[in-house]
Amino acid sequence: EVQLVESGGGLVQPGGSLRLSCAASGFTFSSYWMSWVRQAPGKGLEWVANVKQDGSEEYYVDSVKGRFTISRDNAKNSLYLQVNSLRAEDTAVYYCATSRGWRDAFDIWGQGTMVTVSS
Amino acid sequence: DIQMTQSPSTLSASVGDRVTITCRASQSISSWLAWYQQKPGKAPKFLIYKASSLESGVPSRFSGSGSGTEFTLTISSLQPDDFATYYCQQYNSYPLTFGQGTKLEIK
Repeated sequence: EVQLVESGGGLVQPGGSLRLSCAASGFTFSSYWMSWVRQAPGKGLEWVANVKQDGSEEYYVDSVKGRFTISRDNAKNSLYLQVNSLRAEDTAVYYCATSRGWRDAFDIWGQGTMVTVSS
Repeated sequence: DIQMTQSPSTLSASVGDRVTITCRASQSISSWLAWYQQKPGKAPKFLIYKASSLESGVPSRFSGSGSGTEFTLTISSLQPDDFATYYCQQYNSYPLTFGQGTKLEIK
């Protein structure tokens, strides 16, 4: 079964850090670009970052540049998002998602992990 | 950044109705557009890519059209399972961006 399972979310104070993980199974992880997409409570979807199959290219939305870092470990079929200097506006469900190329739709999604930034 | 604007924001319809959702891009994105369906508390589900290509397993009552800056998602005969929020997304250029969503409600 094709599956993405996120973990690592939680409650964190403003300025804090978390490392989100996404475990992939049921498909050839190393063949796909991987993205993080977030959704604030009651709001729409926002692409956050993506990484190429071999990890050689990374792209970010401006609002997280310098604070978030996307990475992957193809040997472990895992994707990560290191989130630092968290702000209240980073509060959201974070989904990982696959695409065959950067110029491709997100065809497989995980169930999401919730990050809440609050004091 | 390319802004994606969906209309309407909310749509009330009945089972069996034909409905159309519009998505407009602030600049041309060729056919680099996808549509997703999302139900409350669930991850988005991929429906359509390259503006008009149906993902495998998606019912044929869903169809997409358009190119350049104007796109539509049509559901030919609404089923109870179709009441959800729909998002368009451009993947022509970074940052990848989504429309604000269209909530399809039961009339």
